[in-house]
Amino acid sequence: DADVTQTPRNRITKTGKRIMLECSQTKGHDRMYWYRQDPGLGLRLIYYSFDVKDINKGEISDGYSVSRQAQAKFSLSLESAIPNQTALYFCATTSRTGELFFGEGSRLTVL
Amino acid sequence: QKEVEQNSGPLSVPEGAIASLNCTYSDRVSQSFFWYRQYSGKSPELIMSIYSNGDKEDGRFTAQLNKASQYVSLLIRDSQPSDSATYLCAVSRPYYNQGGKLIFGQGTELSVKP
Repeated sequence: DADVTQTPRNRITKTGKRIMLECSQTKGHDRMYWYRQDPGLGLRLIYYSFDVKDINKGEISDGYSVSRQAQAKFSLSLESAIPNQTALYFCATTSRTGELFFGEGSRLTVL
Repeated sequence: QKEVEQNSGPLSVPEGAIASLNCTYSDRVSQSFFWYRQYSGKSPELIMSIYSNGDKEDGRFTAQLNKASQYVSLLIRDSQPSDSATYLCAVSRPYYNQGGKLIFGQGTELSVKP
């Protein structure tokens, strides 16, 4: 089983719909992240959390919200999806060495 | 100015050659530096980490760090077609100062031609 699991892996939705992407990890790490990837733009940080009571905005948080339900769970929500939020989304956790462990990605298409 | 910058490429090298990938960063307090490889449609995987100035070698891969110049590079010796992928440079602050908050460059696409 994967250490970092994302659901759903693929989702097609319509403009204005609310979408939640879920992430769970079995690595026991405190720090969790949501990144977005677009062609030619690399990975951009949306939100990150250093523990259950800590939530921080990243580079591109507008239009997104997160919830850290437990040490192992970190969800990303799009309250009203728009087409330019079509992207590949990655959840990740870090060890103390700073190495990121990624989930397999969630491909979101907003029509 | 982007915090982490890479040449987007594509960088094309013949099989067996040395591929050289470069990255610059703007935050002087950065302390940890990583190279990730990403195949199309897959999640990034860590191939090298480096924390101090100088060279670090692991098999065919060598990471080079120059903190004074705010520059980190990755050399791939004896390049193979299987090395064809996008290479992402990532930088983070010390663990006690938002460490683990990795900032990525836009990635360099490498193509190794047989």
